[in-house]
Amino acid sequence: EVQVVESGGGLVKPGGSLRLSCVASGFSFSNAWMTWVRQAPGKGLEWVGHIESKAYGEATDYAAPVKGRFTISRDDSKNTVFLQMNSLKTEDTAMYYCFTVTGDYWGRGTLVTVSS
Amino acid sequence: DIQMTQSPSSLSASVGDRVTITCRASQGIRNDLAWYQQKPGKAPKGLIFAASGLRSGVPSRFSGSGSGTEFTLTITSLQPEDSASYYCLQYNSCPRTFGQGTKVEIK
Repeated sequence: EVQVVESGGGLVKPGGSLRLSCVASGFSFSNAWMTWVRQAPGKGLEWVGHIESKAYGEATDYAAPVKGRFTISRDDSKNTVFLQMNSLKTEDTAMYYCFTVTGDYWGRGTLVTVSS
Repeated sequence: DIQMTQSPSSLSASVGDRVTITCRASQGIRNDLAWYQQKPGKAPKGLIFAASGLRSGVPSRFSGSGSGTEFTLTITSLQPEDSASYYCLQYNSCPRTFGQGTKVEIK
């Protein structure tokens, strides 16, 4: 059975940092390109970024609003992908999901609230 | 960056109606397009991959078509459980981009 579980969300002040984790099981994680998307309250889905598999050099790419502030990394030995979020802004408040485009494996998300 | 323009932003239709949602890409993306359904409080669920490939377990009343810059998601006979928001996603180039979403309501 496939499982994807995000964690690490919470309340943080503007300018602060947070590290999200996404643990996956039940599929070939090491071959998967892992994607983070977010959804602000009452809004649509926004692609945040992704990390390619080791075979593709673990290359990363990011959406413009988060480039330079967010970093995606992975640890294939732990079937985990991370989203390091620095210099957080109020507009980063959202539910954050990780998933794989090809396999369509989603977690339930973790909520990040940036507020003073 | 590739912009995805999705229309309509919302629609209301009756059970049994045929519903069509469109996504237009600002430049050609071959068939590198997916469709997702999202119900309130839930994670999205994939419906269509590679523009027209029905994902496993998705009812056959859902279909996708198109290539290049224009794509369509069709629900041939709308059911009450299809009340949801629908999004397209282009994965042809980075950054990936979603359409703005279509909220489908049942009359």
